[in-house]
Amino acid sequence: EIVLTQSPGTLSLSPGERATLSCRASQSVSSSHLAWYQQKPGQAPRLLIYEASSRATGIPDRFSGSGSGTDFTLTISRLEPEDFVVYYCQQYFSSPRTFGQGTKVEVK
Amino acid sequence: QVQLQESGPGLVQPSGTLSLTCAVSGGSIKSSSWWSWVRQSPGKGLEWIGEIYDTEIANYNPSLKSRVTISIDKSRNQFSLKLTSVTAADSAVYYCARASTSVTGLPFDSWGQGTLVTVSS
Repeated sequence: EIVLTQSPGTLSLSPGERATLSCRASQSVSSSHLAWYQQKPGQAPRLLIYEASSRATGIPDRFSGSGSGTDFTLTISRLEPEDFVVYYCQQYFSSPRTFGQGTKVEVK
Repeated sequence: QVQLQESGPGLVQPSGTLSLTCAVSGGSIKSSSWWSWVRQSPGKGLEWIGEIYDTEIANYNPSLKSRVTISIDKSRNQFSLKLTSVTAADSAVYYCARASTSVTGLPFDSWGQGTLVTVSS
């Protein structure tokens, strides 16, 4: 099973700042099979990024993804108030599908 | 835009069977997609339970495989989850989700709102 480790666990930033979230895999993952989700309180996760760097439909361009192999990054260029929630990475390069434990972006 | 809606009992007795159904609307369940169940508990985060295709091929998480069955009802446009011998550790919010083969990498592009299941006597 591929273990995804996200860091940091909590990121404290101010609106307008840049957020950089990390996802590290325990073994190499095809970029085509790495996704990022956003989860707001009381809601289901929402797909943000797939194929490591492709934005899902309707996702603002302040969200971007990058990376390959075992190291992947989600960047939010300028934090908006609604961005202060939890983010998860997920892989389906090999079964079972696995998720990272999440990074919470909170207001500093 | 496909929509998913979970339904089922919110309370299950220990050692009993958890049964949930996911109704698919706004699209056909026979649409080249894998249909999954994912659960979320405070202690374990997001955990993929398993998936099924419209050909009834199913894949399960090895950690739950001995207790899980996912089935599909194409006539009703829905799929279901059964989890046997439940314990308090199975208490979680259960989501159904879709991974379309038209999207590279099969990410979950549609999710149900989730349903809370508590295992307790």
